[in-house]
Amino acid sequence: GIQVEQSPPDLILQEGANSTLRCNFSDSVNNLQWFHQNPWGQLINLFYIPSGTKQNGRLSATTVATERYSLLYISSSQTTDSGVYFCAVERPNDYKLSFGAGTTVTVRA
Amino acid sequence: KAGVTQTPRYLIKTRGQQVTLSCSPISGHRSVSWYQQTPGQGLQFLFEYFSETQRNKGNFPGRFSGRQFSNSRSEMNVSTLELGDSALYLCASSSGQGALGNTEAFFGQGTRLTVV
Repeated sequence: GIQVEQSPPDLILQEGANSTLRCNFSDSVNNLQWFHQNPWGQLINLFYIPSGTKQNGRLSATTVATERYSLLYISSSQTTDSGVYFCAVERPNDYKLSFGAGTTVTVRA
Repeated sequence: KAGVTQTPRYLIKTRGQQVTLSCSPISGHRSVSWYQQTPGQGLQFLFEYFSETQRNKGNFPGRFSGRQFSNSRSEMNVSTLELGDSALYLCASSSGQGALGNTEAFFGQGTRLTVV
């Protein structure tokens, strides 16, 4: 199956700092999503971004499908940004998301 | 618009019992997928249904089964529960009608199953 690697596994930030999370995948995909898992376990949609660049407030994401990677940028981090961030991809006609192991972000006040 | 609804939220079962979890997708979505999340294995795909047909199945034993009803609601069943089945079970819905597969998936709050 497709391999999804996220880096770094852990990230500790001071409030106000910027950061970049990376997701590498091993095959062509038709779907790529970034999620933030809240403390209760729910996966919150951040971006649906099979290619291109999107921005939503302090968060932005870029996917370079031809080079098989995606980046999630967090600017001016806040303590509420803490949690686990997952990248998930789907290959064409596969009908399933394959998840990376996640990046655990801790933002300190 | 209501989100994905999973019931129950929490469940405690004894080894050897069976359990049924329910998922109601976003209105208009016809694809429902199930995932298991454990600390050791991360998020793993169980199965996906579209219009009552299973389109893909993950690498889980036959004790794990699912189905989808004509109103797109889905259930998954785990029989003969084992301690290792303790996990967060997440359901996702999407329109299911992308040109090359599913479109954006939206997840429910999950069911946390504890097997004792």
